[in-house]
Amino acid sequence: DAGITQSPRYKITETGRQVTLMCHQTWSHSYMFWYRQDLGHGLRLIYYSAAADITDKGEVPDGYVVSRSKTENFPLTLESATRSQTSVYFCASSERGDSPTYEQYFGPGTRLTVT
Amino acid sequence: KQEVTQIPAALSVPEGENLVLNCSFTDSAIYNLQWFRQDPGKGLTSLLLIQSSQREQTSGRLNASLDKSSGRSTLYIAASQPGDSATYLCAASLVQGAQKLVFGQGTRLTINP
Repeated sequence: DAGITQSPRYKITETGRQVTLMCHQTWSHSYMFWYRQDLGHGLRLIYYSAAADITDKGEVPDGYVVSRSKTENFPLTLESATRSQTSVYFCASSERGDSPTYEQYFGPGTRLTVT
Repeated sequence: KQEVTQIPAALSVPEGENLVLNCSFTDSAIYNLQWFRQDPGKGLTSLLLIQSSQREQTSGRLNASLDKSSGRSTLYIAASQPGDSATYLCAASLVQGAQKLVFGQGTRLTINP
């Protein structure tokens, strides 16, 4: 199906484990983003990517690693998960980031619980 | 640092009423502003995008306005329906080149039949 998908949709992991959240889009959008949503903080940008092999930090990047070897995929890795990383993670994409006319489209989210 | 605020946090109105949701931002040098809808346990659905050069955008029963000088945007919903019940989020883009969005915490809207 066309659009933006995330996997897994739900994940429970233990403190200290590495976990990777996947994001895939079929539109060939240049820009991709990772946000986390927490009660009391709203949505905050973790990392974004302007194109394959180009990534940059957002507001809350500590503890996360991203890569983008292909335009359509943008995985987010928690190298050593902590309880404070329990959250709902959203991936988004945008056709372009250098124009004010292009919207961001969001995936369905991944609910991550770190025990 | 840009801050985006949405007040009230929750709003409950009877079906059929027209209503306005508010969004304020601290830095008037925005690039664009987007309004989203989020249903419980779901992702975000883009409703309207207003470019910094525009004053308003309309889609069906929705109308969004932007006043950069006062740091405010409003989302007007006409003839509200129970299906409009959701959380509405506004997000401002400041940085030209990446559209990094700064989100408000949302207004949870309930339309009572």
